[in-house]
This record gives sequence, structure tokens and C-alpha cells, in this order.
Amino acid sequence: NAGVMQNPRHLVRRRGQEARLRCSPMKGHSHVYWYRQLPEEGLKFMVYLQKENIIDESGMPKERFSAEFPKEGPSILRIQQVVRGDSAAYFCASSPGDRGGTEAFFGQGTRLTVV
Amino acid sequence: RKEVEQDPGPFNVPEGATVAFNCTYSNSASQSFFWYRQDCRKEPKLLMSVYSSGNEDGRFTAQLNRASQYISLLIRDSKLSDSATYLCVVNPNKLVFGAGTILRVKS
Repeated sequence: NAGVMQNPRHLVRRRGQEARLRCSPMKGHSHVYWYRQLPEEGLKFMVYLQKENIIDESGMPKERFSAEFPKEGPSILRIQQVVRGDSAAYFCASSPGDRGGTEAFFGQGTRLTVV
Repeated sequence: RKEVEQDPGPFNVPEGATVAFNCTYSNSASQSFFWYRQDCRKEPKLLMSVYSSGNEDGRFTAQLNRASQYISLLIRDSKLSDSATYLCVVNPNKLVFGAGTILRVKS
């Protein structure tokens, strides 16, 4: 049983390009979180999704960032017109969906570098 | 006030020492609590859940005080491999992570 799968593991983009980060949750998990981590800093919540629905996007920047979790396929975090400050590790975590109690399991992350 | 606060450390301890980490949270509606560990540049991994009655897993003991909105993690007989960042996590309606406490165990 595969764990949470993120791809790509490393992504290099030039300023102004688009970055697409993918996350396939663990089998049986219907909820996905996205977090961003800058070097030497903690995990910052970005968005919490279930299939075809955004539960909480309070951590998402108002512009250039969007996320989706379609009925079929992986969750996608999309960053348009990337800037150097977007360089970070982006972690996805999945959970079964019991909002009251369950832990989440993380993928290995995508390290985005904007040059 | 941050939703989850932790002492950033670092805590530098010798092998065999006992070390305790503390964490406070602001949302009294939080329903579940966890400790994760994160090794350098890797993904966080679940260490243990935290229950109101307190719980133990080998050398690790977690405690929860709902009245004070306080969580603790005790590590006994520290090993070199325990060196990592320990993340306190609370779940009011989504997982909220503290910034982490750095532990360095030295021989």
C-alpha cells in the first residue's frame, strides 16, 4: 500500500512560469492538506480539501495560488507567475477525513526552486 | 497570539538524558492532539497521538491538560537518533502545526 505520493520531488521554474505540484493521497483517504515550509521555518498551513470541495483555504495567498482535489486523480497545487519568494518545500498530507480526530500522513514533499 | 506555541530550542542534551517539551494552544475547541517529528529536510512523521489520560509509547510519554490548553512530550533515555525537530499539532477542525522544538542529542 503506497503512502502519500508527491511529484515531482524537485521542480525548477523561472520567474513568471507556472508550477504544478501533484499529490496522490493514501488509499482510502479522502482529505488532503497542503503546507509550505521555508528554510529554517515551520510548516505553514495553506489549504485543506476533500474531493471536489475546499474545506479551508485560509492559508492560501490571495493571488497566484490555487488548489483542487478532483473526483478522479491527484490533488493539484498550482502557482502561477512564480516569484523567487515562492521557493520552498511544499508538503501534502492525507487523512481519512474524520475532521475531529485523525492524524495525517505526509508525502516526501516537492522542493520548488524559482530562478 | 499563535494558535500553537512551542519553545524553539535548541535543546542540547547528552545521551541518556530525559528531556521534556511543552506546547500551548489557543483554540479551546481543539479535539485531537499529536506529536510529529521532522528530520532535516524530510517530511514530518507521526510520533504519537496525545490522549486526555496521558499515554506512553516506549521511551516517549505524552500528556494533555485541556484546562490549561497545554501538551507535553517527555523523552527518557535519549538516543542520538532522537535528534530531530518535534512538532506539536492540534486539530480544532484542521491540523495546525507549531513551529517545532529542535532536539540535539550528543554522545
